[in-house]
Amino acid sequence: RKEVEQDPGPFNVPEGATVAFNCTYSNSASQSFFWYRQDCRKEPKLLMSVYSSGNEDGRFTAQLNRASQYISLLIRDSKLSDSATYLCAVSSGTYKYIFGTGTRLKVLA
Amino acid sequence: DAGITQSPRHKVTETGTPVTLRCHQTENHRYMYWYRQDPGHGLRLIHYSYGVKDTDKGEVSDGYSVSRSKTEDFLLTLESATSSQTSVYFCAISGKQGTNEQYFGPGTRLTVT
Repeated sequence: RKEVEQDPGPFNVPEGATVAFNCTYSNSASQSFFWYRQDCRKEPKLLMSVYSSGNEDGRFTAQLNRASQYISLLIRDSKLSDSATYLCAVSSGTYKYIFGTGTRLKVLA
Repeated sequence: DAGITQSPRHKVTETGTPVTLRCHQTENHRYMYWYRQDPGHGLRLIHYSYGVKDTDKGEVSDGYSVSRSKTEDFLLTLESATSSQTSVYFCAISGKQGTNEQYFGPGTRLTVT
């Protein structure tokens, strides 16, 4: 079993839709969690950190469920520009990170 | 942008030749990382550094070496390039002001023929 797993998608959603992705992790000692966005042939860019209390930034909401060992990313009112691959990352606090392979999102006009 | 540059951005080289990729940061982050990204595997850690001259291996370190002689620069060397090392290489930094968020450089596309 991979340490961090994501559904590769693609998730095809119409503009304006709400879409959610999950990312499961296997190491119960994991302490830090992140969502990144990666556009085709570009570097991953930090979207948001995921705190125990959750985190919201505009249309984006991230949640952590320690009991079930997953993090989630919710995107409301999807825009065409949200089309990208979303990577989750998990760290056990040693400044080493494990990345998921990403979930592809395509927002359709 | 987090002030990270990578050079070269693209390189084509022949099997058996040595290759050095450079990562340069202007943000004074303590930690620096080298990843490779391949379809189906995601980002995999090659080596990382936790200070000047302090480095450690990641999960896919065979065939790679690194050096960090200054805070700003982290070099990745492929001693003798092989076709399996064709990939996109990303440098990342973290650790400023006690945070552990990672920021990535623009990447280097390496093709080994």
